Amino acid sequence: AQKVTQAQTEISVVEKEDVTLDCVYETRDTTYYLFWYKQPPSGELVFLIRRNSFDEQNEISGRYSWNFQKSTSSFNFTITASQVVDSAVYFCAFRGGYSSASKIIFGSGTRLSIRP
Amino acid sequence: GAGVSQTPSNKVTEKGKYVELRCDPISGHTALYWYRQSLGQGPEFLIYFQGTGAADDSGLPNDRFFAVRPEGSVSTLKIQRTERGDSAVYLCASSREYSGANVLTFGAGSRLTVL
Repeated sequence: AQKVTQAQTEISVVEKEDVTLDCVYETRDTTYYLFWYKQPPSGELVFLIRRNSFDEQNEISGRYSWNFQKSTSSFNFTITASQVVDSAVYFCAFRGGYSSASKIIFGSGTRLSIRP
Repeated sequence: GAGVSQTPSNKVTEKGKYVELRCDPISGHTALYWYRQSLGQGPEFLIYFQGTGAADDSGLPNDRFFAVRPEGSVSTLKIQRTERGDSAVYLCASSREYSGANVLTFGAGSRLTVL
């Protein structure tokens, strides 16, 4: 069975600190995709990044970076120099390849609070 | 449209009533998904459409839940004999076509409260 685990329910840090959100997934698929979505207080889920199972290169986008490691089935998300506007619930998600279910499975989310 | 539109944004109903929630996907998006999000939880998959047909309805919790997409664009999620446990935010998302790589764009959701 496919599963996404976000063990950190809530994280609170002071502004400008770095913070890492953990994501661990389980699958037997060889082709799959991993995603991170942000859900700000307004409620609408916003796409942040997609990674496919064949590309383990880490990615950096401004203050955001993602570390994908197949050996540990993890896809962690780091925010550098956090800002109050980063406060939101962050979801890691998984989708099997063409031969398996098309649905995206979401983790339970990590609520991130950035204190000024 | 520019984004995924969901109506109503809020719906309060009484236990036992029938409810319809509407989703208008991004123009040209052939794949449409319904998710349900309870307080403090991640979105839970309900059903997805590729065109007019439901390609995967494995997430529908029971036969009180039904969804249609008759013309391959707008979709309606229908809930019969609502129960208090149905209270949640119902999210709709669309993508350009079915492909593992495609990103889902979500609407703002319809918050259903069953009294």
